[in-house]
Amino acid sequence: EAGVAQSPRYKIIEKRQSVAFWCNPISGHATLYWYQQILGQGPKLLIQFQNNGVVDDSQLPKDRFSAERLKGVDSTLKIQPAKLEDSAVYLCASSLGTSGSLETQYFGPGTRLLVL
Amino acid sequence: AQKVTQAQTEISVVEKEDVTLDCVYETRDTTYYLFWYKQPPSGELVFLIRRNSFDEQNEISGRYSWNFQKSTSSFNFTITASQVVDSAVYFCALSEVTGANNLFFGTGTRLTVIP
Repeated sequence: EAGVAQSPRYKIIEKRQSVAFWCNPISGHATLYWYQQILGQGPKLLIQFQNNGVVDDSQLPKDRFSAERLKGVDSTLKIQPAKLEDSAVYLCASSLGTSGSLETQYFGPGTRLLVL
Repeated sequence: AQKVTQAQTEISVVEKEDVTLDCVYETRDTTYYLFWYKQPPSGELVFLIRRNSFDEQNEISGRYSWNFQKSTSSFNFTITASQVVDSAVYFCALSEVTGANNLFFGTGTRLTVIP
């Protein structure tokens, strides 16, 4: 079974530029998550989708970050404009169902973003 | 509010030694899940174990074992006879039934196994 796919793996941009990350979850997984992991810290949830609806985006900096999951499968996370403090690894995860805390999340390899 | 504390920032052991990684959590929920993930240098978070709050039975999987104690709010992870391939950052995480399955991670413990 294929795991969670993410691209690109690495991205370097200058501040105030925009960037987009793509995630394809495990086939059949209804729930998709985006996490931000700053160096030396644990991942922090940015947004959770169930199918194509948003469950939780309370930690998403909506003035510059946006995310969508239009057909309930793959998802895109965008940052516009980027700031230096956005340098981090962006991890995508998916879980099988929509039954809340009963689900294990499986993670992709992440996209490492460096903002100069 | 929920919180996960991994007090050990870095640990180094010599190959074949046993090592225990500590995890202490805080939650107001009576129903929650605890997880351990491994993050090797490649960056991907690898799921190791999930334990629900009603199951305090310890678990062993090969060289890995987990000790869950609700009385001390701890969920510790032991690697027996460590190997170089065990070198990674290990994260403990908490998911609450009221939290929409969101994972709250500790800051991680970097384990280095020296050959």
